Amino acid sequence: EAGVTQFPSHSVIEKGQTVTLRCDPISGHDNLYWYRRVMGKEIKFLLHFVKESKQDESGMPNNRFLAERTGGTYSTLKVQPAELEDSGVYFCASSLDLSYEQYFGPGTRLTVT
Amino acid sequence: GNSVTQMEGPVTLSEEAFLTINCTYTATGYPSLFWYVQYPGEGLQLLLKATKADDKGSNKGFEATYRKETTSFHLEKGSVQVSDSAVYFCALSVTGNNRKLIWGLGTSLAVNP
Repeated sequence: EAGVTQFPSHSVIEKGQTVTLRCDPISGHDNLYWYRRVMGKEIKFLLHFVKESKQDESGMPNNRFLAERTGGTYSTLKVQPAELEDSGVYFCASSLDLSYEQYFGPGTRLTVT
Repeated sequence: GNSVTQMEGPVTLSEEAFLTINCTYTATGYPSLFWYVQYPGEGLQLLLKATKADDKGSNKGFEATYRKETTSFHLEKGSVQVSDSAVYFCALSVTGNNRKLIWGLGTSLAVNP
């Protein structure tokens, strides 16, 4: 069974540009989470989907971030326009339901110059 | 609020040395506690967990005991190997809170032969 995959593995963009990160959860996992680790700081929760619905987006930094999960399968996280402080590693995780372990993808390293 | 305080690294040990990585938490309600590990070039993996007070999680020779009285979940291993070199993260989740994970800063461990 394939694990959680994320694309791209690394993205370097200039300030003001747009970037879209993609996460493919494990098949059948209704719960999908996005987290971010900024260098030198702890991993922070961004948001949580159940199927295609956003359950909790309290961790989204601001309205430059837009997450979608159309059809309840893969998810995208778009940053528009990107700022320097958006640099970090973005992790995606999925779980079968809330009582189960979260499985993580390898992360996308975003560098904004 | 909910938070995790984790011993800062980096930690450097010789093979077969004893490892302790301290983790304390504050939480509303009754948290579940986790240790995740990230090996070089890989994603986050669940190492062990404990869901109630006095539970001991264990895996791959690592152990951690959920201590409610000291609000701690210290990670220990009696004899580390070079292959244990990784970054270790302590985390918690609280029931009814979407199970989102609240993370410590992470502790980098390097084990020398």
